[in-house]
Amino acid sequence: SAVISQKPSRDICQRGTSLTIQCQVDSQVTMMFWYRQQPGQSLTLIATANQGSEATYESGFVIDKFPISRPNLTFSTLTVSNMSPEDSSIYLCSARQGRGEQYFGPGTRLTVT
Amino acid sequence: SQQGEEDPQALSIQEGENATMNCSYKTSINNLQWYRQNSGRGLVHLILIRSNEREKHSGRLRVTLDTSKKSSSLLITASRAADTASYFCATDRDTGGFKTIFGAGTRLFVKA
Repeated sequence: SAVISQKPSRDICQRGTSLTIQCQVDSQVTMMFWYRQQPGQSLTLIATANQGSEATYESGFVIDKFPISRPNLTFSTLTVSNMSPEDSSIYLCSARQGRGEQYFGPGTRLTVT
Repeated sequence: SQQGEEDPQALSIQEGENATMNCSYKTSINNLQWYRQNSGRGLVHLILIRSNEREKHSGRLRVTLDTSKKSSSLLITASRAADTASYFCATDRDTGGFKTIFGAGTRLFVKA
């Protein structure tokens, strides 16, 4: 199984600022994803992080708001830009190898004030 | 958008009883995964069942998959207070890449 770490684990940010979340996987993986989880809710897929090319965003999420990088097979970043209180959430990085099990990082708890 | 729906939304049982959670989905899938999430913590992967499988076991967990009904169930036998958590099913669609879409989840509370 893949072990996924995220930094930071939590942050409190002011509206209008941006935060970049880092995700590191302990082995090379085919696929990496970013999800958001509102308090008490399920997970919503933000985008698929593609190595060496632009991420593939789900409906309702755009690159200008959530730019994503994936420079190699073990690392990805998600930036939450121009934050508002509505962006307060847990952001989770996820990885899978082919069609195998999909694993998740511990999440980054973001509070926007 | 969410692919699956779990029912019940919430379930409260006594320790030692069995807990059954159901998941329904809308489109053809390659596989279905079940996860557990304790309050405020990360997701723990429980079981992956492929579309050509009908049943899988892991310890006290039993997962079934009925692709004709587009549904799956997770059975936890002899439940423990430590099983108290939210349980999610997630489906990997047959088309649209490898992305996994989550259902709404079932909140299980096991009373000691």
